[in-house]
Amino acid sequence: DIVMTQTQLSSAVTLGQPASISCRSSQSLVHSDGNTYLSWLQQRPGQPPRLLIYKIFNRFSGVPDRFSGSGAGTDFTLKISRVEAEDVGVYYCMQATQFPRTFGGGTKVEIK
Amino acid sequence: QVQLVESGGGVVQPGRSLRLSCGASGFPFGSYGMHWVRQAPGKGLEWVAVIWHDGSNKYYTDSVKGRFTISRDNSKNTMYLQMNSLRAEDTAVYYCARDAVECSGGGCYSLFAFDIWGPGTMVTVSS
Repeated sequence: DIVMTQTQLSSAVTLGQPASISCRSSQSLVHSDGNTYLSWLQQRPGQPPRLLIYKIFNRFSGVPDRFSGSGAGTDFTLKISRVEAEDVGVYYCMQATQFPRTFGGGTKVEIK
Repeated sequence: QVQLVESGGGVVQPGRSLRLSCGASGFPFGSYGMHWVRQAPGKGLEWVAVIWHDGSNKYYTDSVKGRFTISRDNSKNTMYLQMNSLRAEDTAVYYCARDAVECSGGGCYSLFAFDIWGPGTMVTVSS
């Protein structure tokens, strides 16, 4: 199985400041079709997860442009350009290059 | 309105069975692959199983193989998770999620991401 590792168990950020979350996979996420199936999800307190980013950097419909994704191979990053109060929650990376799908352990974003 | 709603959760003794349902509305259910994902209390997300849009393929995480069965009835816009031989470690909120699809150039392709999630249903395995 591919192991997904997210750095920083908790990250307290000042409103309006940037935040960065890292995710590393135990093997390359490049699929045989050439795509890299790494997505990012946000889970606000008490809510189900919500898709933010798919295939490394593609923002899902309705996701604010302050969220951006980058990376390649085994190292990936989610950036929030200016953190807002509604961004509080836990962020997960997920690989869908192979079965079983696996998630990172989550990174909690809190407001300082 | 595109929506998924899980049901069937509850408290069950170890070794017993439970069947979860995921009802879909607002989109052509039979055109989408569907997943079950669970989250133990205070823990992260764990993928459980997937079923192809037409039910032709199914995959499971190792810890549930031989105990859980994923199925769907496209005529009822519903997916199921039959859970047998339940263990304490199966205690979790169970979410159903839709496989994201993009249509272009006359075809539709999976984005290999989960774009719609239900609110979840809690399963507690305890004596």
